[in-house]
Amino acid sequence: QQQVKQSPQSLIVQKGGIPIINCAYENTAFDYFPWYQQFPGKGPALLIAIRPDVSEKKEGRFTISFNKSAKQFSLHIMDSQPGDSATYFCAATLNYGGSQGNLIFGKGTKLSVKP
Amino acid sequence: NAGVMQNPRHLVRRRGQEARLRCSPMKGHSHVYWYRQLPEEGLKFMVYLQKENIIDESGMPKERFSAEFPKEGPSILRIQQVVRGDSAAYFCASSPTGQGANVLTFGAGSRLTVL
Repeated sequence: QQQVKQSPQSLIVQKGGIPIINCAYENTAFDYFPWYQQFPGKGPALLIAIRPDVSEKKEGRFTISFNKSAKQFSLHIMDSQPGDSATYFCAATLNYGGSQGNLIFGKGTKLSVKP
Repeated sequence: NAGVMQNPRHLVRRRGQEARLRCSPMKGHSHVYWYRQLPEEGLKFMVYLQKENIIDESGMPKERFSAEFPKEGPSILRIQQVVRGDSAAYFCASSPTGQGANVLTFGAGSRLTVL
């Protein structure tokens, strides 16, 4: 019940394409869903996050779609660029008490954007 | 603002030795988290600390692993009698108190190799 399942494991798109990464969770108590971007040899960096009271959030070229009834959320990258090539992790957590930093991460999606 | 500082960046130990990883949180952050990342895997929560207190250690292995965040100085993750399976990247993250406590800023990681 504590798992977050992420797919696909890897993704290759052409420059300008719209890669979509999907995540599913089981625990309905989760109420904060961030996405992290990680470049090789670096730590993960927060990209965008959403709470379950909204169905979509957009920041620049990055959009999260959230489907509470299906317990799924996804990341879309508009007009993808070679510089977006990285590993993307979805995560979920309980946003209260002492649990807010205990992020449950998906296994990651390695995105490659071809020029 | 120097961000979350981790050292050493790379550490090589022989089986049975001790590994000590250090983490200085971002200025103004009072919450420290340690995560472990195995090759081709997502990050796994290990422990959450505040100054002089362990708040949540539910992800820490029961033996050989310990963590502290003293009143003065960095947080330390200590692994005694290391084994090959401890080889991984260890990431520290920090967050502020109150609003934004679930917004984790990660360091660049310490990569432990056990020979």
